[in-house]
Amino acid sequence: GAVVSQHPSWVICKSGTSVKIECRSLDFQATTMFWYRQFPKQSLMLMATSNEGSKATYEQGVEKDKFLINHASLTLSTLTVTSAHPEDSSFYICSLKTGGSTDTQYFGPGTRLTVL
Amino acid sequence: QKEVEQNSGPLSVPEGAIASLNCTYSDRGSQSFFWYRQYSGKSPELIMFIYSNGDKEDGRFTAQLNKASQYVSLLIRDSQPSDSATYLCAVNPQAGTALIFGKGTTLSVSS
Repeated sequence: GAVVSQHPSWVICKSGTSVKIECRSLDFQATTMFWYRQFPKQSLMLMATSNEGSKATYEQGVEKDKFLINHASLTLSTLTVTSAHPEDSSFYICSLKTGGSTDTQYFGPGTRLTVL
Repeated sequence: QKEVEQNSGPLSVPEGAIASLNCTYSDRGSQSFFWYRQYSGKSPELIMFIYSNGDKEDGRFTAQLNKASQYVSLLIRDSQPSDSATYLCAVNPQAGTALIFGKGTTLSVSS
């Protein structure tokens, strides 16, 4: 399966600052990546689909100006949480699909964001 | 709206027993189905996938698919306390799009 890494694994920031989360595909060229958010004891929530070389597609209710996504290469997608507030504190997980006959989805280890 | 339904649980089984996790999906055209395990505070990890009707076995895990009933299940034999986690069922709507996930079933295996 595909190996996905995320950096940082956890981050604490002050309210009003911006935080960038990196998602790397280590052994697969991913034209499409996905970003999820998960609050404690809640289910995964798809935030956006990140397409290499083009604009991301955001799910309904997700503010594109607050959650900036850049998928500049086939192995790197970034999510920037701008002007973070305590309610943005969550577990952010990136993912990719391998396509082809299996078209299986693999997840990164996640980034835990705490906004003070 | 394509949906995947799972019983949230918790499902409690004693160590050594068989745990049975169930999932139904709404899109009859779905072709591939996945089971993920998510430990508390961790991201989901793939357990197995199934495409064809019938059973697919991998170690202690067996996935069962019945497309006519739009039903997928996961059996865990000889359950261990380390199997205690949330199990997510997912359906592939189409290539290039994210899988559609159920809300997950929490399994608790007691020693």
